[in-house]
Amino acid sequence: GAGVSQSPRYKVAKRGQDVALRCDPISGHVSLFWYQQALGQGPEFLTYFQNEAQLDKSGLPSDRFFAERPEGSVSTLKIQRTQQEDSAVYLCASSLEGGSTYEQYFGPGTRLTVT
Amino acid sequence: QKEVEQNSGPLSVPEGAIASLNCTYSDRVSQSFFWYRQYSGKSPELIMSIYSNGDKEDGRFTAQLNKASQYVSLLIRDSQPSDSATYLCAVKSGGYQKVTFGTGTKLQVIP
Repeated sequence: GAGVSQSPRYKVAKRGQDVALRCDPISGHVSLFWYQQALGQGPEFLTYFQNEAQLDKSGLPSDRFFAERPEGSVSTLKIQRTQQEDSAVYLCASSLEGGSTYEQYFGPGTRLTVT
Repeated sequence: QKEVEQNSGPLSVPEGAIASLNCTYSDRVSQSFFWYRQYSGKSPELIMSIYSNGDKEDGRFTAQLNKASQYVSLLIRDSQPSDSATYLCAVKSGGYQKVTFGTGTKLQVIP
């Protein structure tokens, strides 16, 4: 079946611009996660949704970052007034809730470059 | 102290050898442990999950978990050049959904 998809795959933004990154999880997956990955580092947790509820946003680095999942499926990560330090790969992952497994499956990521 | 620690490497092994990748974690109530493989320029790919003490084998891969020592490892038998990648250890604590990743170990399999 289809995996997690993300769009756009690459985004170049000028400093100060707003960007919106989209994630389409695996069908039926209840949980959705956003991560930020800098070069040479592991993914860093940003936020987590269970269906449409955002249960944890402790990893969002500033109030310029905002995520939503209004219908419990597709999610959008929005970054307002982008800064150079926002340049990174933004990864989305989804997970099938329930049982004893919590395996997350990642999308291809969006590489954001802020110039 | 980082929550999940890995040696960044690179770890170089000859083709056909066993590669041993190690990870330690700080949260004693951690319950779920994962190994991801990440090729350069690609996203992480789940290769193993382990939830209880002991060994779990899947093909050429064996995950080992020791909760008392807060240690998890991944063994890759008969290493192939195609195994050359960064291996990420990830840990989930308790009933909380958040997963914490290590910085990864870069593995190089030399033909």
